[in-house]
Amino acid sequence: KQEVTQIPAALSVPEGENLVLNCSFTDSAIYNLQWFRQDPGKGLTSLLLIQSSQREQTSGRLNASLDKSSGRSTLYIAASQPGDSATYLCAVLTSGTYKYIFGTGTRLKVLA
Amino acid sequence: DGGITQSPKYLFRKEGQNVTLSCEQNLNHDAMYWYRQDPGQGLRLIYYSQIVNDFQKGDIAEGYSVSREKKESFPLTVTSAQKNPTAFYLCASRDRPIDVGELFFGEGSRLTVL
Repeated sequence: KQEVTQIPAALSVPEGENLVLNCSFTDSAIYNLQWFRQDPGKGLTSLLLIQSSQREQTSGRLNASLDKSSGRSTLYIAASQPGDSATYLCAVLTSGTYKYIFGTGTRLKVLA
Repeated sequence: DGGITQSPKYLFRKEGQNVTLSCEQNLNHDAMYWYRQDPGQGLRLIYYSQIVNDFQKGDIAEGYSVSREKKESFPLTVTSAQKNPTAFYLCASRDRPIDVGELFFGEGSRLTVL
């Protein structure tokens, strides 16, 4: 059974710092992995989608990497800003299923 | 603008009442999903549908029902059999093919049982 873990559960950093969020999964047979952002009381916004054949994806200040063999993905945020404060979730789509498994998220606070 | 619309945004229900949450998408996506989110927990899958007139139970389907009569619509009914329905409900959709399709979410509906 696929399990997805995100560590740390919460993170507080000063503005301008580069930071890394971690996502690990137990079953490496996946179609893809997706990173989301969630603001309080809102839905999830898709940030990056990494297909199983890819190693990384980039969008602006965000870079996500995928290492299937070790069951890990990282989301790198460069030059963090207070507007980056949100909860970041990763989700894995396991091969042979239609079900996404979500981690419990990392709550990020960027201090001005 | 293409997207997923959930309504109502807030809903209050008395115990013993059924309520229906609406989810409409104009993205022309085949697959649609309903998730439940509780504080401190990850998203849990209630029901999903890969195509019109077909849907499957997720991990926590007890006390919920859905229909998929139109491609753009996937309403969720929270029945009186759901023991703890107070939660934040999220609808999502995804285009085919499955390995490259990106998952998109609506803004959510918050249900409170009084």
